[in-house]
Amino acid sequence: DQQVKQNSPSLSVQEGRISILNCDYTNSMFDYFLWYKKYPAEGPTFLISISSIKDKNEDGRFTVFLNKSAKHLSLHIVPSQPGDSAVYFCAASITGNQFYFGTGTSLTVIP
Amino acid sequence: DTGVSQDPRHKITKRGQNVTFRCDPISEHNRLYWYRQTLGQGPEFLTYFQNEAQLEKSRLLSDRFSAERPKGSFSTLEIQRTEQGDSAMYLCASSSGSGVAPYEQYFGPGTRLTVT
Repeated sequence: DQQVKQNSPSLSVQEGRISILNCDYTNSMFDYFLWYKKYPAEGPTFLISISSIKDKNEDGRFTVFLNKSAKHLSLHIVPSQPGDSAVYFCAASITGNQFYFGTGTSLTVIP
Repeated sequence: DTGVSQDPRHKITKRGQNVTFRCDPISEHNRLYWYRQTLGQGPEFLTYFQNEAQLEKSRLLSDRFSAERPKGSFSTLEIQRTEQGDSAMYLCASSSGSGVAPYEQYFGPGTRLTVT
């Protein structure tokens, strides 16, 4: 059973515009959410996280929004840059003991 | 701090052989995780250590898989009697388990296993 879902396999955005990546989850016990970026032939790189007690966390160009009632989180990248082109995974956890990842969204930022 | 390292980076083995992978976490991290990733999928959780104790183990982890973390430092993942379905990228990650960012995992580059 896929407890974390990323329903958009790919996304293309013009350089300088906003990229919005979405993630849905089913388990209301999840209390910590993370976003990772992955380049080919490398392990995932941590981007940003959010605890379930918050609804927004911002770090530079990256902002994560959490809507607990909808069991939905999103990652906003503003402005998008060509170097942001990668596969993005969302992940969820219950107290950091086990992590569930989505299937990823491949972002292409067009110069 | 050199980050999380994994060895080997690539492994080709014949079906039925045993393989062992090593992971060296970030030195001050007491949590260590193993994942498996196949094409088009996200990382799938396999097992988790806090120091030397193995606290969680996925149902995906059959009896042919075993992991250890002696002395709470590096970890090994062994697959016995490999099958073609074991072909995947095996990822290791570590986290501090405390402080400001207790659950933020830092991944190694992975070990690509091909079973022929």
